[in-house]
Parts: sequence; structure tokens; C-alpha cells
Amino acid sequence: SAVISQKPSRDICQRGTSLTIQCQVDSQVTMMFWYRQQPGQSLTLIATANQGSEATYESGFVIDKFPISRPNLTFSTLTVSNMSPEDSSIYLCSVAFSQQMTTTDTQYFGPGTRLTVL
Amino acid sequence: LAKTTQPISMDSYEGQEVNITCSHNNIATNDYITWYQQFPSQGPRFIIQGYKTKVTNEVASLFIPADRKSSTLSLPRVSLSDTAVYYCLVGEGDTGRRALTFGSGTRLQVQP
Repeated sequence: SAVISQKPSRDICQRGTSLTIQCQVDSQVTMMFWYRQQPGQSLTLIATANQGSEATYESGFVIDKFPISRPNLTFSTLTVSNMSPEDSSIYLCSVAFSQQMTTTDTQYFGPGTRLTVL
Repeated sequence: LAKTTQPISMDSYEGQEVNITCSHNNIATNDYITWYQQFPSQGPRFIIQGYKTKVTNEVASLFIPADRKSSTLSLPRVSLSDTAVYYCLVGEGDTGRRALTFGSGTRLQVQP
């Protein structure tokens, strides 16, 4: 298993600004993911954070809006850029230990970052 | 793509057994079925995983019929603390990759 922390736990931001969310894991992991969960909704995968290379984004999400860094095997950041009220959501980091996320692999989730954009 | 369908919500009382069924008609041959539980203001956490027949752990049981087109998560003798959203996940096709798509989930409300 893994213990995952996220910073900040919550924030209130103004329209047009950017916020960087940090995800820290207590052990080295191969795969890290970023999800968005809008109020009362399910989770939507934003991207896979790849160590040492560019993140892999899901349909509907682009690097300019959600730049991701992953400098090592225990840390990743997600930036929400040029925010609008529609970006108000919970952003969750998750990790897995396999080389390639297979159907048997389980994910371990952080507590989430609750973002409100005014 | 394998897609899951679950009831949106369920209500129960303390001490009852709760069964939540997930439909996954297009499940691929090598896909496993994984269930997660999410409490308010927390990230999801793994509950149980299975491929066929029955799997049981200290938290729940998972029943999977022979055709694997559905699965049922069984929570014995629920308590108020089992109030949560439960998600069923399967892989996304014969690549065996990426059990990363969350469906709508089932919101379980346990009452005293």
C-alpha cells in the first residue's frame, strides 16, 4: 500500500489565476494519476503523470490547461491554469505499483484538493 | 470499451446485508472486476477484486456469475459507517490495461 498526501487540502482562488497541487507518496511508485471529481459526480481521469517525460492526457484535457510535472518516483504536481468557476472541483492524485496499469492493479488515492474558483 | 452500470443509490438499515450489482456486458476475457469505496471528503479506497465465482475478504464478498457480465458486491451486516459511494471498475478491452474509468457509482445510505 501507499500513503499519499496532497497540498493544499483546499483553496479558494480568483478567476484567471493558477494553482499548483502537490502529491507526495511515502514510497516509490511506477504510476501516478490525476483525477477530477466535480461535486456529487464520479471521478474523471485527467492524465497519467510519467516520470521523466511528458504526461499522457485523456480526451478533453490539454497540457496548456493542466500542466503536470513528475520529477521523481514519489512526487507529482498538477497545475490548474487560467482558472474559471467551471474548474471548481476536487482534484485527486492516485498511484499504482505496476509498470503498466493492468486490469488487476489497484490504485491508492490521496485525500484530494478541494478547489473553489470565484 | 467496457462500460459499467450500477444503481444510482440504495438505502439500507444497520445490520442488514446489502448487495450492489454492477453490469459490465462488454467485459473482456482478461478483465478483472474491482470495487472501490469512497467516503465524503476522501479519495476512493480499494475494497475487493475478482475474476470469477466468489471472492471474500474481511470487508465484503464479490459474486461473479459464469458469464461475467455482471458482479455483485455484498456487504454483510452494514453499519452507519458503511454509508459511502461504491464504484465498480473493469478494464477497457482486450489490452488488459487501464482499470481507470470510474462509472457513476452507487450511493449507499445506511440508516439506524
